[in-house]
Amino acid sequence: DQQVKQNSPSLSVQEGRISILNCDYTNSMFDYFLWYKKYPAEGPTFLISISSIKDKNEDGRFTVFLNKSAKHLSLHIVPSQPGDSAVYFCAASARTSYDKVIFGPGTSLSVIP
Amino acid sequence: GAGVSQSPSNKVTEKGKDVELRCDPISGHTALYWYRQSLGQGLEFLIYFQGNSAPDKSGLPSDRFSAERTGGSVSTLTIQRTQQEDSAVYLCASSHQTGEDGYTFGSGTRLTVV
Repeated sequence: DQQVKQNSPSLSVQEGRISILNCDYTNSMFDYFLWYKKYPAEGPTFLISISSIKDKNEDGRFTVFLNKSAKHLSLHIVPSQPGDSAVYFCAASARTSYDKVIFGPGTSLSVIP
Repeated sequence: GAGVSQSPSNKVTEKGKDVELRCDPISGHTALYWYRQSLGQGLEFLIYFQGNSAPDKSGLPSDRFSAERTGGSVSTLTIQRTQQEDSAVYLCASSHQTGEDGYTFGSGTRLTVV
């Protein structure tokens, strides 16, 4: 049973437009959420995180929104750039226990010049 | 080094052989994690170390998989009697104890069992 779901395996966006990547989770114990970006043949790199006490966290072109009641979070990239083309993983953990982080299956983003 | 180092980067092995995958975490990171990514799949949690102890081994797929960490640093993931379904990219990550800055991943070991 997948605890972290990313229902869109892929997404294509024009350069300059907004990219919205969605993520849903099922475990109500999760209280810390992260997004990672992965290029081919490289390990994932940490992008941005959000604690459950917040509903929004912004870092430059990247903003993560959290809707706890819906168990849903999203990553917005504005404006999208060709270098943003990568696989994006949503991840979640229950900070009250330990640091095991559960990853979603990933969404492959293609930003078209 | 500055990052998480994994070796080998690629490994092709025959079915039934044992393999050892190595991870060198970032110096000072107390937490170390092993994940694997099979073709077309997400990241599957395998095992987590805090120091030298492994409080969570729940993700190891079978008793053919084992891992150890010595000196609070280097970790080795061992797969005995490899099977074709073990083929995947095995990723190691490390973090400070709290992990709130996220993990730092290595580039992974691509294991192919033929």
